[in-house]
Amino acid sequence: ETGVTQSPTHLIKTRGQQVTLRCSSQSGHNTVSWYQQALGQGPQFIFQYYREEENGRGNFPPRFSGLQFPNYSSELNVNALELDDSALYLCASSTRHGQETQYFGPGTRLLVL
Amino acid sequence: QKEVEQDPGPLSVPEGAIVSLNCTYSNSAFQYFMWYRQYSRKGPELLMYTYSSGNKEDGRFTAQVDKSSKYISLFIRDSQPSDSATYLCAMSAYDGGATNKLIFGTGTLLAVQP
Repeated sequence: ETGVTQSPTHLIKTRGQQVTLRCSSQSGHNTVSWYQQALGQGPQFIFQYYREEENGRGNFPPRFSGLQFPNYSSELNVNALELDDSALYLCASSTRHGQETQYFGPGTRLLVL
Repeated sequence: QKEVEQDPGPLSVPEGAIVSLNCTYSNSAFQYFMWYRQYSRKGPELLMYTYSSGNKEDGRFTAQVDKSSKYISLFIRDSQPSDSATYLCAMSAYDGGATNKLIFGTGTLLAVQP
């Protein structure tokens, strides 16, 4: 059984740029949620994808968007990067009817300069 | 006021001690309660989850939920230096419907001294 993987592990961007982060869900999982974890804080829910559609969104602006592919992998896109977007971005996968157990990947650490 | 409050620590204990980690919450709709362990520069690892009130034990770990007090705890027996990490509580109002949005505490940094 393969766990949740994310790429890249680290990324440095400048303000105003755009970034794409990738996530492969755990084998057998069809639901992917994305979280942002600022330094010293707990993760905050960005949105969730199921059947290639956004299904639930947290308090994040539209410049945060995503995709899910037929193989259940997912992308998080952030446009017009701001300094406050610097954080660890985590994806978590689960089954649709087993969302009480969400398994996280190692995260992508994004630094915006 | 945050929905979930957690003392950030740091908490330092000697090896072999019993560790008690706690969270309080304000949303009475929360039904699922999770504890995650996060090592430095890693993703959170699910330790335990509990539905509604009660206790759950798994090896050296015991999770307790008191919904009447809106208070949850994680106990670690015979703590080891390898338990040194940040412990995050998380909870949700998931009702088996569309989306399970986890609400996290800020995490408690635990250091177990050999």
